[in-house]
Amino acid sequence: EDKVVQSPLSLVVHEGDTVTLNCSYEVTNFRSLLWYKQEKKAPTFLFMLTSSGIEKKSGRLSSILDKKELFSILNITATQTGDSAVYLCAVDLNAGNNRKLIWGLGTSLAVNP
Amino acid sequence: SQTIHQWPATLVQPVGSPLSLECTVEGTSNPNLYWYRQAAGRGLQLLFYSVGIGQISSEVPQNLSASRPQDRQFILSSKKLLLSDSGFYLCAWSVRLLGGYEQYFGPGTRLTVT
Repeated sequence: EDKVVQSPLSLVVHEGDTVTLNCSYEVTNFRSLLWYKQEKKAPTFLFMLTSSGIEKKSGRLSSILDKKELFSILNITATQTGDSAVYLCAVDLNAGNNRKLIWGLGTSLAVNP
Repeated sequence: SQTIHQWPATLVQPVGSPLSLECTVEGTSNPNLYWYRQAAGRGLQLLFYSVGIGQISSEVPQNLSASRPQDRQFILSSKKLLLSDSGFYLCAWSVRLLGGYEQYFGPGTRLTVT
């Protein structure tokens, strides 16, 4: 059965800390891995990763994929209270017309001032 | 640019009443469309997805149904709501990009069944 596991489930840090969120997966026919940030409403897209070892970066956020060990990490440096959110990881399966994502349960990050 | 609309934003319905949630996408054609439910702010559960007009795939058997009467319109329905149908309902769309299907979400509908 295809599955995506995120860890930790929740995390509390202080402003300025650096955090690393993990996403591991066991799927057939991997195509890409996606990271989303969800605050109070709909998830917003952060990154899509398809190749191992190539870091995607946006400001203080960065992410990398390891297709050999089947995981990805999302790093946030110099955290701010606005980074508080649930971070969701999803894997896109290469399964012909079966176009759907397999989602993890998310990591809830709280950044305290 | 593409935008996705969902309405209503909030809904309180009694058990046994019908449901109709609507989602429309602008600025793209022939998108893949998805309905998700999220309970307690975590865990996106895929309910239905559609690759074209009239083409609906159901992921979870339940008392909900979906329809796609037009290319950019996706409707989630129920004839009789259950208490367990409460949750945050999200519509999403995607178009295949190089390497994968990036999904974009609507603002969501928070449904409370009383």
